[in-house]
Amino acid sequence: DAEITQSPRHKITETGRQVTLACHQTWNHNNMFWYRQDLGHGLRLIHYSYGVQDTNKGEVSDGYSVSRSNTEDLPLTLESAASSQTSVYFCASSPGEDYEQYFGPGTRLTVT
Amino acid sequence: KQEVTQIPAALSVPEGENLVLNCSFTDSAIYNLQWFRQDPGKGLTSLLLIQSSQREQTSGRLNASLDKSSGRSTLYIAASQPGDSATYLCAVSNAGNMLTFGGGTRLMVKP
Repeated sequence: DAEITQSPRHKITETGRQVTLACHQTWNHNNMFWYRQDLGHGLRLIHYSYGVQDTNKGEVSDGYSVSRSNTEDLPLTLESAASSQTSVYFCASSPGEDYEQYFGPGTRLTVT
Repeated sequence: KQEVTQIPAALSVPEGENLVLNCSFTDSAIYNLQWFRQDPGKGLTSLLLIQSSQREQTSGRLNASLDKSSGRSTLYIAASQPGDSATYLCAVSNAGNMLTFGGGTRLMVKP
């Protein structure tokens, strides 16, 4: 079955380290998204991509970057991790604008 | 900027009750609206997608309605069960397929 996976599921890192969270989908969807979920703020969009070599900033993109070298993967990089980036991160994909988004299981990141 | 509000924030009902969860949004120029379920510590499971041209969608005991002009959607759950206990999230999609989420309604169905 087609699916969307995220790795790692849990990660603890130190302030200032570079961290990369992986997202992989097997549906061949063009659109991919990264969200973070925090108590009191709900889910907010970090970055998104409409296809290979396309990336765009979302509502809370500062301190994050993404790259899209193929259809299946959209890794999220924290350039220099900060305690404010402790959160649960969700990746999602969608075939297009008129379709629903499908979410991965999430990565819980703790920055100490 | 699109803002999405869900009321109530939490709801506790006895098993068997029919219930309604509410979602409102400020910008009516939406492409679609999606309802999700999230269990504690888990990801989001899509329940229903309503296109902007539709008035409602049904899946089993779930029925979602959309009134785009007034900026409102409701999720109706019939004959609630303890297994329905979860957080329910409403999200709207504007141009670009990007979702704006509400804060969620935490539902507890007591046996």
